[in-house]
Amino acid sequence: KAGVTQTPRYLIKTRGQQVTLSCSPISGHRSVSWYQQTPGQGLQFLFEYFSETQRNKGNFPGRFSGRQFSNSRSEMNVSTLELGDSALYLCASSLAQGRETQYFGPGTRLLVL
Amino acid sequence: DQQVKQNSPSLSVQEGRISILNCDYTNSMFDYFLWYKKYPAEGPTFLISISSIKDKNEDGRFTVFLNKSAKHLSLHIVPSQPGDSAVYFCAAYASNTGKLIFGQGTTLQVKP
Repeated sequence: KAGVTQTPRYLIKTRGQQVTLSCSPISGHRSVSWYQQTPGQGLQFLFEYFSETQRNKGNFPGRFSGRQFSNSRSEMNVSTLELGDSALYLCASSLAQGRETQYFGPGTRLLVL
Repeated sequence: DQQVKQNSPSLSVQEGRISILNCDYTNSMFDYFLWYKKYPAEGPTFLISISSIKDKNEDGRFTVFLNKSAKHLSLHIVPSQPGDSAVYFCAAYASNTGKLIFGQGTTLQVKP
């Protein structure tokens, strides 16, 4: 079974631009969560989608948004990029909501100049 | 407010010895705890978990201990191997919020 895939793997943007990241979950998984990883901060939860609905949201500004499609693929969008948005963005999928084990993709490394 | 804390950013142990990674949490509503391992350029991979109704769970060389009164959990790796060198994240899940909260991670280096 193919794992979680994320595209692109690397991205360089400038301040003020916007970016869209994509995540394809493991086949059959319906829950997709997004995390931001920065040095010293660990993995910060962004949001979780299940059946095309956002079920949970972390403490990030409204510039961070996402959506999930009917095939469970998910996208994350960051508008008006700031230098501090430079991070590794990880997507994780699980069979369902709840305490199901999450399987992570390799992440998208975003650099904002 | 960091609800899950890994106070040791790094740990170095000799091959064959025990590695002990620690994690503290503040929210008594957490009812499920997990450890993930992360190699560079890869996403975290699930290692082991424990329910709040248990105090120990073992899987091969990996054992997780939970002390609910102290709000502390630890991961023991015995014996440690160079391939265990990675960043280890502990995570806590609360059923009432449905959120999985991660610690900052501890970088483990196992020296041959």
